[in-house]
Amino acid sequence: DAGVIQSPRHEVTEMGQEVTLRCKPISGHNSLFWYRQTMMRGLELLIYFNNNVPIDDSGMPEDRFSAKMPNASFSTLKIQPSEPRDSAVYFCASRDIPAGNTIYFGEGSWLTVV
Amino acid sequence: DAKTTQPPSMDCAEGRAANLPCNHSTISGNEYVYWYRQIHSQGPQYIIHGLKNNETNEMASLIITEDRKSSTLILPHATLRDTAVYYCIVRVDFGNEKLTFGTGTRLTIIP
Repeated sequence: DAGVIQSPRHEVTEMGQEVTLRCKPISGHNSLFWYRQTMMRGLELLIYFNNNVPIDDSGMPEDRFSAKMPNASFSTLKIQPSEPRDSAVYFCASRDIPAGNTIYFGEGSWLTVV
Repeated sequence: DAKTTQPPSMDCAEGRAANLPCNHSTISGNEYVYWYRQIHSQGPQYIIHGLKNNETNEMASLIITEDRKSSTLILPHATLRDTAVYYCIVRVDFGNEKLTFGTGTRLTIIP
């Protein structure tokens, strides 16, 4: 299995620009998570989907962040407009719900907003 | 959610067993103990989980005390590649699906 695939792996963008991060979960997995990791705050859950439906977005920091999952094999996390404090590593993860909390993470998208 | 307490850092000599403790004194009867690790610059990786009984897989062993208030992750023969941050998490397996990571233990394997 190819694992969770994220793109881009690295992105540097200017403040105010729109950023779109992409994720392809493991085939057959029906739950998808977006996490953000910074030195100050550690690993934070932003939002998760079950069967393409957003279940809990309470971790999304503000309206500048939005996430979609149009189908079972694709999700996006969008930041518009981006700010320097959004600089972080963004991880996508997926799981097969019957497997409980065994979650598989992608390698992350390293975002720098200058 | 049951809270976990882990030492912030530990060292272990290469080739020795690394024993990582975790306290979870408020764990509920239906909560599992999960261990993940994060090697630098990579996404977190699932290691092992258990409810009551000790568990072993190809990566590690998990020892849970009889009262379930603490557990120990054992890496039997630590290698340099085991240097990582190790997270102990207690969660119900179903129903509440958030997986919240604490600060973990930074394990350094010494050559």
